[in-house]
Amino acid sequence: DVVMTQSPDSLAVSLGARATINCKSSQSVLYSSNNKNYLAWYQQKPGQPPKLLIYWTSVRESGIPDRFSGSGSETDFTLTINNLQAEDVAVYYCQQFFRSPFTFGQGTRLEIK
Amino acid sequence: EVQLVQSGAEVKKPGESLTISCKGSGYSFIDYWVAWVRQVPGKGLEWVGFIYPASSDARYRPSFQGQVTFSVDKSINTAFLQWSSLEASDTSIFYCARLSQLPGYASSSGLGALDVWGQGTPVIVSS
Repeated sequence: DVVMTQSPDSLAVSLGARATINCKSSQSVLYSSNNKNYLAWYQQKPGQPPKLLIYWTSVRESGIPDRFSGSGSETDFTLTINNLQAEDVAVYYCQQFFRSPFTFGQGTRLEIK
Repeated sequence: EVQLVQSGAEVKKPGESLTISCKGSGYSFIDYWVAWVRQVPGKGLEWVGFIYPASSDARYRPSFQGQVTFSVDKSINTAFLQWSSLEASDTSIFYCARLSQLPGYASSSGLGALDVWGQGTPVIVSS
């Protein structure tokens, strides 16, 4: 299985500031045929199912604010949340969909400082 | 509206069987893979596997192979997750989710992020 490791496990950021979450895969998730990294990010709020934020590393799902952005390639990826809002408090997960089983990172809990 | 609606919470005893369901609406159900994801309360997300309703092609994570069974009923746009003999360690929330259709790919490709999620079905197994 491709092992996904996120860092940090939790972080606290001030309102209006930037939050950065990292994700590392145990092997490359880059498809050379189309130069796409098969990496997604999800947001999960308490008592709710996860919500897709970003796929293919940096493509925002419809309706996701542009405060959320993704970057990275091959094995190292980052989710950045600019201008942090109170409603962004959640657990964030990365997931690779390059090779089945499509494994998730362990999650990063984001709180307001 | 595209949605997946799951069956309600279940409380079972070890050794009992169980089937939970996931009904799709607002899209062509048979044309998109349906994934199952487990979440132990307070813990992270774990991929269980997925099934393609049009063909019933099912792919299980090795650790779940033989422990659970996926099936679909195309006539009612519903996917099922089944256990023949539950264990206490099965206590979790189970989500179904639709595999997205990536730009340039057919929805049957088996590659995609999870763009639509059910609300989750809590399963409690306790003697």
